[in-house]
Amino acid sequence: DGGITQSPKYLFRKEGQNVTLSCEQNLNHDAMYWYRQDPGQGLRLIYYSQIVNDFQKGDIAEGYSVSREKKESFPLTVTSAQKNPTAFYLCASRERRTSSYNSPLHFGNGTRLTVT
Amino acid sequence: GQQVMQIPQYQHVQEGEDFTTYCNSSTTLSNIQWYKQRPGGHPVFLIQLVKSGEVKKQKRLTFQFGEAKKNSSLHITATQTTDVGTYFCAVTPNFGNEKLTFGTGTRLTIIP
Repeated sequence: DGGITQSPKYLFRKEGQNVTLSCEQNLNHDAMYWYRQDPGQGLRLIYYSQIVNDFQKGDIAEGYSVSREKKESFPLTVTSAQKNPTAFYLCASRERRTSSYNSPLHFGNGTRLTVT
Repeated sequence: GQQVMQIPQYQHVQEGEDFTTYCNSSTTLSNIQWYKQRPGGHPVFLIQLVKSGEVKKQKRLTFQFGEAKKNSSLHITATQTTDVGTYFCAVTPNFGNEKLTFGTGTRLTIIP
């Protein structure tokens, strides 16, 4: 089955450590996204990538970094510079827009990161 | 950046009552999508609206896009316990940009 895999489901880290969250998709989608969700809150866009070797900052990119070396993979690194890293992180992908129609986002199951 | 507000933030309804959430944008939209996130889950795509004044229905759910393409609504008729979750609208800027911004969401709880 095609889909998006995020691993691990739960991740615990000590403050001051960088941590990388994995996101892999086999849907052949060009565009990939990282969102952050805090308890009871909406989704805030961290970074997105429209094509391999290219990515753009979202609304809350500070303290995060990404890479897009392969179409299937879009890992997110939460650096020690991120002041409040504890959150639920969601990765998503979709086909690129070709008209006024937007393809729907397909989400992974998310990674819950806890930093103490 | 894109401002997308949803109201209300929370809604508690008796089972069988209707529910409506509204999505308002500060700018004219090319289209709008709606997603549902069950507790503990990830958002799942429901529908997309593209045309001014467009109305689409999915069983008990009715989606509407405003005439000015700056607002949208989702109405659920006769809610059921399976409707529990948070409903988000999501918008993109002009064509050619893949950025997708989510609204603040409306959390629906059902009182049996």
